[in-house]
Amino acid sequence: DAMVIQNPRYQVTQFGKPVTLSCSQTLNHNVMYWYQQKSSQAPKLLFHYYDKDFNNEADTPDNFQSRRPNTSFCFLDIRSPGLGDAAMYLCATSMGGLVGYTFGSGTRLTVV
Amino acid sequence: AQSVTQLGSHVSVSEGALVLLRCNYSSSVPPYLFWYVQYPNQGLQLLLKYTTGATLVKGINGFEAEFKKSETSFHLTKPSAHMSDAAEYFCAVSERDAGNNRKLIWGLGTSLAVNP
Repeated sequence: DAMVIQNPRYQVTQFGKPVTLSCSQTLNHNVMYWYQQKSSQAPKLLFHYYDKDFNNEADTPDNFQSRRPNTSFCFLDIRSPGLGDAAMYLCATSMGGLVGYTFGSGTRLTVV
Repeated sequence: AQSVTQLGSHVSVSEGALVLLRCNYSSSVPPYLFWYVQYPNQGLQLLLKYTTGATLVKGINGFEAEFKKSETSFHLTKPSAHMSDAAEYFCAVSERDAGNNRKLIWGLGTSLAVNP
């Protein structure tokens, strides 16, 4: 089935140690999003790629970076994770956002 | 800018009872509206959406929602709750950002509990 796949499902990283989360899609959607979701909160958009064009939200910390080497893959890099970065990270895709997003199952990040 | 308000952060119903989750939006243009469901430690799953056409929209798992322009509402309903419906529900509206790309504006979510 076509879908959005996030790896790993659970990630534990040390304070200050760089970590990369991955997302892949078989939907051939042109837009890919990264969201951060903390407990009992709505998802917060970090950035998105419209094709190869990177769009950063104004309040996304510099600690968060992203790469999209091709249509299918997108990565979230956290350069120096802090305790406050512990959250669920959700990847989503869409065709221009017109028909709703397809989400992956998320990666639960724990910072120790 | 558009916004979404979900009335009631927690809703509790008995199994078999009507489910009503409220969502109001503000938008200066015809909106695209969505309801998503999130089970614990899972991503979000699209329940239903309204873009154009019929204002009563049917989704998965027996849910439906009605777009009421005069009330700027898009409430989610299900005639008979099931234990498996217990989850977090998010209402969202789609808007264009400064780069003319569409993105979702989210409500804060409503946690639905279903009691036996």
